Amino acid sequence: LAKTTQPISMDSYEGQEVNITCSHNNIATNDYITWYQQFPSQGPRFIIQGYKTKVTNEVASLFIPADRKSSTLSLPRVSLSDTAVYYCLVAVKAAGNKLTFGGGTRVLVKP
Amino acid sequence: NAGVTQTPKFQVLKTGQSMTLQCAQDMNHNSMYWYRQDPGMGLRLIYYSASEGTTDKGEVPNGYNVSRLNKREFSLRLESAAPSQTSVYFCASSEIKVDRETQYFGPGTRLLVL
Repeated sequence: LAKTTQPISMDSYEGQEVNITCSHNNIATNDYITWYQQFPSQGPRFIIQGYKTKVTNEVASLFIPADRKSSTLSLPRVSLSDTAVYYCLVAVKAAGNKLTFGGGTRVLVKP
Repeated sequence: NAGVTQTPKFQVLKTGQSMTLQCAQDMNHNSMYWYRQDPGMGLRLIYYSASEGTTDKGEVPNGYNVSRLNKREFSLRLESAAPSQTSVYFCASSEIKVDRETQYFGPGTRLLVL
């Protein structure tokens, strides 16, 4: 399983864009990059997943360079409710996927 | 469609007691998982079940047993609880689509072992 490294915490202000970079130097050819969001006292929630280049949905964008050794989750115009822990995971898309959650990045959005 | 449900929400045990954490999903997913999350930490996989009738160990299986009762239900049993098992336990199930795989998590069970 590929190990991921991401910042422990980040502060931002309402309305700003938040970019969280995750490093995954030993990512394998068939691995996908997935991001989850977790609020206090809740289970993680899927945000976005990608293999290469750029993926965008209604919540976030995921940028993956050609070498795939890192990825950046971009949260546009954050609000106070985006304060949460964000986890970057790398795994093969397969049944019984043994996901490994690291420590995550604690994002604090200030008014 | 309730998603992933877990019972109980909260439990206090004494050292040496046993209990079973229940998990059910109504999304017709094949794969199910049990994680634990200690304060300020990420989730660690205890056991998972890729499909009905199969189970496999994750990162931290010691002290736990699991049963995949049917496609919907996946239970986690602590035979002799220890204070080190004080944690929040999350159950999850997953679906695989052409463009992504998603794990859906339950609300968690908070376990305190005295």
